[in-house]
Amino acid sequence: DSGVTQTPKHLITATGQRVTLRCSPRSGDLSVYWYQQSLDQGLQFLIQYYNGEERAKGNILERFSAQQFPDLHSELNLSSLELGDSALYFCASSVDGRAGVGRSTDTQYFGPGTRLTVL
Amino acid sequence: KNEVEQSPQNLTAQEGEFITINCSYSVGISALHWLQQHPGGGIVSLFMLSSGKKKHGRLIATINIQEKHSSLHITASHPRDSAVYICAVRNTGNQFYFGTGTSLTVIP
Repeated sequence: DSGVTQTPKHLITATGQRVTLRCSPRSGDLSVYWYQQSLDQGLQFLIQYYNGEERAKGNILERFSAQQFPDLHSELNLSSLELGDSALYFCASSVDGRAGVGRSTDTQYFGPGTRLTVL
Repeated sequence: KNEVEQSPQNLTAQEGEFITINCSYSVGISALHWLQQHPGGGIVSLFMLSSGKKKHGRLIATINIQEKHSSLHITASHPRDSAVYICAVRNTGNQFYFGTGTSLTVIP
């Protein structure tokens, strides 16, 4: 158990709908990262937050948005869902992660993932 | 063009064998990560490197910054090592890039 929790575990919805995925980081971790893993594209980095502020942005679609709240939990909002959005969505957390230069405080702990199925 | 290339894609080994998985990358990096993903889907971070070598139990990870290459070694492999091993890099612009993974099966 990494200490990172994600809800829900599974989500089945229809095209055009909107869903919210939730992530609670390990106690004391200030950075949260979101990743998407699909069969055809593998793992992709979506976005990173550090202490409530956006730190880095990856391949996140405009239909997707995220935020990190004052209690440090994070939500990933996916809207106007398409079949191709079906994937595993992971969040990870780290103590720091600002500089990313390989310090032990940058070690990421992954949550169990949310499996999203868009029908 | 993939920023991170891993080889081999698939690897089958007998229990006890020494295993090497390779990772080459094409971008300037601040750190390289080795991840392990088990059949159930969970991901564990094994190593994070910015230089040199790290060892944890039977696992060893090395990185050569000049050659933009990293290796993950497993000594005395065991069936419980069967998993997908993924190389990831964080570039100097704070972007993460992932290899497609190496699927390892260790046969008793």
